[in-house]
Amino acid sequence: GAVVSQHPSWVICKSGTSVKIECRSLDFQATTMFWYRQFPKQSLMLMATSNEGSKATYEQGVEKDKFLINHASLTLSTLTVTSAHPEDSSFYICSARAGSQQETQYFGPGTRLLVL
Amino acid sequence: DQQVKQNSPSLSVQEGRISILNCDYTNSMFDYFLWYKKYPAEGPTFLISISSIKDKNEDGRFTVFLNKSAKHLSLHIVPSQPGDSAVYFCAASGRGAQKLVFGQGTRLTINP
Repeated sequence: GAVVSQHPSWVICKSGTSVKIECRSLDFQATTMFWYRQFPKQSLMLMATSNEGSKATYEQGVEKDKFLINHASLTLSTLTVTSAHPEDSSFYICSARAGSQQETQYFGPGTRLLVL
Repeated sequence: DQQVKQNSPSLSVQEGRISILNCDYTNSMFDYFLWYKKYPAEGPTFLISISSIKDKNEDGRFTVFLNKSAKHLSLHIVPSQPGDSAVYFCAASGRGAQKLVFGQGTRLTINP
C-alpha cells in the first residue's frame, strides 16, 4: 500500500510552547488529509479534514486556533499545537487519501506528544 | 457519544482457532464499514470492508459479516495465526462522507 510518514515520531515539550507535526504522503498525491487524536484505550477521534489549498474543516469541539492545520501541497500537511498544555498530551495520527474510496485512506505511524 | 463501539478491549485466541471481533454502531446513516489492523508504533492498515448492500465479504482468512437490523458487524479470522496479534479497529462512514468514525479497538492476542 501507499506510504504516509509523520515527523517527529516522539516529542516532549514544555507547557506553553508550540509543536509542529508533519504528515507526508511519500508515493502519492493526497488532495485530502485527516488528523486524528487517540487517548489511551480510546478510539481514533477525527480532529479535522484538510483539503489541499483550502481551509481545514474542524470537528465539533476542536479549537481551530489551537490546532493549526496547513495543507500547502498535495504531499504535505502540518498540524501545529499552539501553546500546548499537559492535557494536549496524546497520540496524533494523520492519514492521507489517495482516491475516492475509503480503502485508499492510508495512515501515518503517529506522533506521541508529551507536554510537561 | 460513541457511535461505533467495540465492547471487548481484548481477546485471546489459540493459534489455529477462529477469532471473532465484534463491533456495534448506532448511526443508521452509516453505509460503509471497514476493519483496520494496527501494530505498535505503526499506523492502522486497511484489512477488509463491507458495504451496507451486502451482509458478508470474504478475503482469504478474513470474513466480515454485517447485520444491519442489529447494527452489528463482526470480523472472523480463521485460522488465527501469531502474526494476527494486533489491535483491530472497526470504522464506519456515511454515504458520501469523507470521514471515518472509529471504534475503540480490540487487542487480539494469538497464543501458540
